[in-house]
Amino acid sequence: DTEVTQTPKHLVMGMTNKKSLKCEQHMGHRAMYWYKQKAKKPPELMFVYSYEKLSINESVPSRFSPECPNSSLLNLHLHALQPEDSALYLCASSQAPTSTSGRNEQFFGPGTRLTVL
Amino acid sequence: EDKVVQSPLSLVVHEGDTVTLNCSYEVTNFRSLLWYKQEKKAPTFLFMLTSSGIEKKSGRLSSILDKKELFSILNITATQTGDSAIYLCAVENLNAGGTSYGKLTFGQGTILTVHP
Repeated sequence: DTEVTQTPKHLVMGMTNKKSLKCEQHMGHRAMYWYKQKAKKPPELMFVYSYEKLSINESVPSRFSPECPNSSLLNLHLHALQPEDSALYLCASSQAPTSTSGRNEQFFGPGTRLTVL
Repeated sequence: EDKVVQSPLSLVVHEGDTVTLNCSYEVTNFRSLLWYKQEKKAPTFLFMLTSSGIEKKSGRLSSILDKKELFSILNITATQTGDSAIYLCAVENLNAGGTSYGKLTFGQGTILTVHP
């Protein structure tokens, strides 16, 4: 299985809602990532999990809360979002990022299109 | 600050043409350069390059890295309408300890449009 899956595909939420995005991979990868992508812009890294531990937080506002329950799953909990948070949220995974050699390319899921009203 | 710059930003060609996409970078402790193709949704991995001068090939696509001059090119020969997409270049670097952050710095992308 060489696929990263994400649910839901689309999400519309109000500014007072609480919702979660889910990501799953079964490639045995030990690193997982959340990216945010606005229209006509490249993906921007939000969080990196390595061996189920948060290793990078790119100064993301606390209204975004990541969680890695196990090596195959990654969640992004959303609360009190703003309209400017509307974007495509991409999940990716790769082999252990702490490796100094070997392949470490990231494989992306299809994304969740989030709209905040 | 790490920087990745792609050119051109957009390109319109006809089927059968050959295109060359450029990516230059300035990063500390370079580890690898990656090319992705993005259509409607997720970026799809194309190539990863770590060593200079070694050309990667996959069908009509090929890529080469020049670590001395800090750039890479992606060539697409005999273009087809299905090649229309955004092509993203990304660079991965190492932290001070010599291991990877797992962080990719992306260029702004090249929008390729191939007309029949």
